Amino acid sequence: EAGVAQSPRYKIIEKRQSVAFWCNPISGHATLYWYQQILGQGPKLLIQFQNNGVVDDSQLPKDRFSAERLKGVDSTLKIQPAKLEDSAVYLCASSLGSIPYSYEQYFGPGTRLTVT
Amino acid sequence: GDSVTQMEGPVTLSEEAFLTINCTYTATGYPSLFWYVQYPGEGLQLLLKATKADDKGSNKGFEATYRKETTSFHLEKGSVQVSDSAVYFCALSPLNSGYSTLTFGKGTMLLVSP
Repeated sequence: EAGVAQSPRYKIIEKRQSVAFWCNPISGHATLYWYQQILGQGPKLLIQFQNNGVVDDSQLPKDRFSAERLKGVDSTLKIQPAKLEDSAVYLCASSLGSIPYSYEQYFGPGTRLTVT
Repeated sequence: GDSVTQMEGPVTLSEEAFLTINCTYTATGYPSLFWYVQYPGEGLQLLLKATKADDKGSNKGFEATYRKETTSFHLEKGSVQVSDSAVYFCALSPLNSGYSTLTFGKGTMLLVSP
């Protein structure tokens, strides 16, 4: 079974530029998550989708971050404009069930963003 | 709010040594508890979990026991290998959240030398 796919794996941009990350979850997984992992810290949830609807985006900085999940499958996370403090690894995860019975989350390899 | 506290790393051990990584939590009620492992260049993988007090999760020689009285979920392994070198994250999920909400600790890096 294919795992969660993410691209690109690495991205370097200058501050005030925009960037987009892509995630393809495991086939059939209803719930999709985006996390931000700053160096030396644990992952922090940014946004959670169930199918193509947003369940929780309370931690998403909406003035610069946006995300969508097209047709309840792939998802993109965008940052515009980027700030230095956005340098982090962005992890995508998916789980089979629908909230509140989402079950185990499977994580992708992440995209490492460096903002200079 | 919910929180997870892990011992700071790196933890440096020789192969075949005994491993303990401490984890304590603060949460309302009886959360589910998890250990995730992150190998270099890879995403997080679920290592083990426990869903109620006194449960013991185990996998690949690693164990952790859910201790409600001390709000702890320490990770142990009797004999570590070089291949166990990774970052280990303790996490919790509130009761009845279906694992949909995870709060992670900061992670503990383990370095095992031959």
